[in-house]
Amino acid sequence: TQLLEQSPQFLSIQEGENLTVYCNSSSVFSSLQWYRQEPGEGPVLLVTVVTGGEVKKLKRLTFQFGDARKDSSLHITAAQPGDTGLYLCAGHNSGGSNYKLTFGKGTLLTVNP
Amino acid sequence: DTGVSQDPRHKITKRGQNVTFRCDPISEHNRLYWYRQTLGQGPEFLTYFQNEAQLEKSRLLSDRFSAERPKGSFSTLEIQRTEQGDSAMYLCASRLGPQNTGELFFGEGSRLTVL
Repeated sequence: TQLLEQSPQFLSIQEGENLTVYCNSSSVFSSLQWYRQEPGEGPVLLVTVVTGGEVKKLKRLTFQFGDARKDSSLHITAAQPGDTGLYLCAGHNSGGSNYKLTFGKGTLLTVNP
Repeated sequence: DTGVSQDPRHKITKRGQNVTFRCDPISEHNRLYWYRQTLGQGPEFLTYFQNEAQLEKSRLLSDRFSAERPKGSFSTLEIQRTEQGDSAMYLCASRLGPQNTGELFFGEGSRLTVL
């Protein structure tokens, strides 16, 4: 089983601050996705990264895939209350069962006004 | 709305009862997944369908759990003889094949509480 460790588990910050959350594994993933989940809803895709070393930006969010495709980070600049939610990283297994998406436990972010 | 829909959204049942959840995926999506999520955890993979074929079933799914997708469209997840440990959010997701790295579109989930 390929496991994804996310840190920190909880993060509470003030509006305007910057933050970084991490997603680490000892396994190689063919691709990695970040989802955001709000209470009472299903996760919604933010980004997919495929190439080792890849960096993608989505407005104030910057995603990076590690060179070895074992880890990823999400950096948020000038956080806003609307960024509050559970951030989940999820990896597609390399190999035969690459249809399966394995999720980390998530980072619960609270941005206080 | 043409997103993934799940029914019921909430189910409260007594231990030992059977429950069934339904998932209607996005119409053209041939891949369908069931996940389970408990408080403070990420979604855990339960099972995967490609069209009507169930290609993988997690070890998390005991013999009390069964999932079907009879015509390759909607899917049902049945839990027999529910236990308190079955209390969780059951999430359905779908996506379009054949590429395996596409976005999963999730429903809003069916929350099960077993008393």
